[in-house]
Amino acid sequence: GAGVSQSPSNKVTEKGKDVELRCDPISGHTALYWYRQSLGQGLEFLIYFQGNSAPDKSGLPSDRFSAERTGGSVSTLTIQRTQQEDSAVYLCASSVRGRQSYEQYFGPGTRLTVT
Amino acid sequence: GENVEQHPSTLSVQEGDSAVIKCTYSDSASNYFPWYKQELGKRPQLIIDIRSNVGEKKDQRIAVTLNKTAKHFSLHITETQPEDSAVYFCAASYDGGSQGNLIFGKGTKLSVKP
Repeated sequence: GAGVSQSPSNKVTEKGKDVELRCDPISGHTALYWYRQSLGQGLEFLIYFQGNSAPDKSGLPSDRFSAERTGGSVSTLTIQRTQQEDSAVYLCASSVRGRQSYEQYFGPGTRLTVT
Repeated sequence: GENVEQHPSTLSVQEGDSAVIKCTYSDSASNYFPWYKQELGKRPQLIIDIRSNVGEKKDQRIAVTLNKTAKHFSLHITETQPEDSAVYFCAASYDGGSQGNLIFGKGTKLSVKP
């Protein structure tokens, strides 16, 4: 079946501009996560959505970052007034909650470059 | 909050040798410990995971051990092959209630030399 998809695959933007990154999770997956991976670095947790519960925003690095998930499916991560340090690969993952396996399935990522 | 430390950051082994990657975590409430493999330019993929009610789990050439008392867990790869070359990430989370986000270690770049 279809996996997690993300768009765009690459985004180059000028410093100060806003960007929106999109994630389509696997159908039926109730949990959705956003991570950031800087060059040669680990996976930094950003935000987590689970069903209709309030999202866990504890990983968002600043108030320039926000995310929403409409209808329990598609999610959009928005970065306002982008800075050069925002350059990274943004990965989305989804999982089925309430089952024995909590495997997170990752999307291909969006490579963001802020010039 | 949870903090995960991973060592070593790079590891080079000869084909056929074993590789061991170690992680420690800080939150004693964490009860789920997955390992992800990320090949160059690709997305991370789960290779094995372990829950806190189990001390060891094996899947062919890979195994994971967990010491809850010491709050550390390790990935063991035996008979390494060149295709095992990748970055490996450990992670920890608490699978209770509305929790579920993974806290990852910084990764170990494993190189297997033929």
